[in-house]
Amino acid sequence: QVQLVESGGGVVQPGRSLRLSCAASGFAFKSYGMHWVRQAPGKGLEWVAVMSYDGLNKYHADSVKGRFTISRDNSKNTLYLQMNNLRVEDTAVYYCAKALGRGGMDVWGQGTTVTVSS
Amino acid sequence: DIVMTQTPLSLSVTPGQPASISCKSNQSLLYSDGKTYLFWSLQRPGQSPQLLIYEVSSRFSGVPDRFSGSGSGTDFTLKISRVEAEDVGVYYCMQGLHLWTFGQGTKVEI
Repeated sequence: QVQLVESGGGVVQPGRSLRLSCAASGFAFKSYGMHWVRQAPGKGLEWVAVMSYDGLNKYHADSVKGRFTISRDNSKNTLYLQMNNLRVEDTAVYYCAKALGRGGMDVWGQGTTVTVSS
Repeated sequence: DIVMTQTPLSLSVTPGQPASISCKSNQSLLYSDGKTYLFWSLQRPGQSPQLLIYEVSSRFSGVPDRFSGSGSGTDFTLKISRVEAEDVGVYYCMQGLHLWTFGQGTKVEI
């Protein structure tokens, strides 16, 4: 079945870096765009970044632009989120999600927790 | 930026009764391809979000037909014809026209 499994979360100090991974299985990963979405504790969903199926196009939310970078390795069926210069407000559960057509997200992972604290 | 506004933010429902959630955007979500990029998802307690409705009114695979979506332009509605216990959670609308933004969420409880 279609599955997305995130990993790489943890506790990190402000200003440090972390790289999240999202391992995909059960579908043709190289044919689909992929998203990162986060959810701060007790808060709603916030879109973070998207990458096209071929890796040629990517967009980031203003809140993370210049600090986070989305990437993918289609040979490994894996999506990444490199997070640099982390801030306390980046504390959240980070989900990867498979793109549905042009605008939606139809499959979500279980999430990985990032805590930024001194 | 496109802002999504949901009402109400919380909803107490009785099993077997209908429920309705409104979602408004500050600009039309109709794209030049004729599609409207408005989506509804449900996040059950302790779980990841799951897609319910895509492009305003199309039910995603496996979604019960008690869920329906309607609307156009900037005004949209999610309706549950007869609420069941498993429908509790937070419902989010989301636009995918220009980047992606979510509504604040509507918490539905029995």
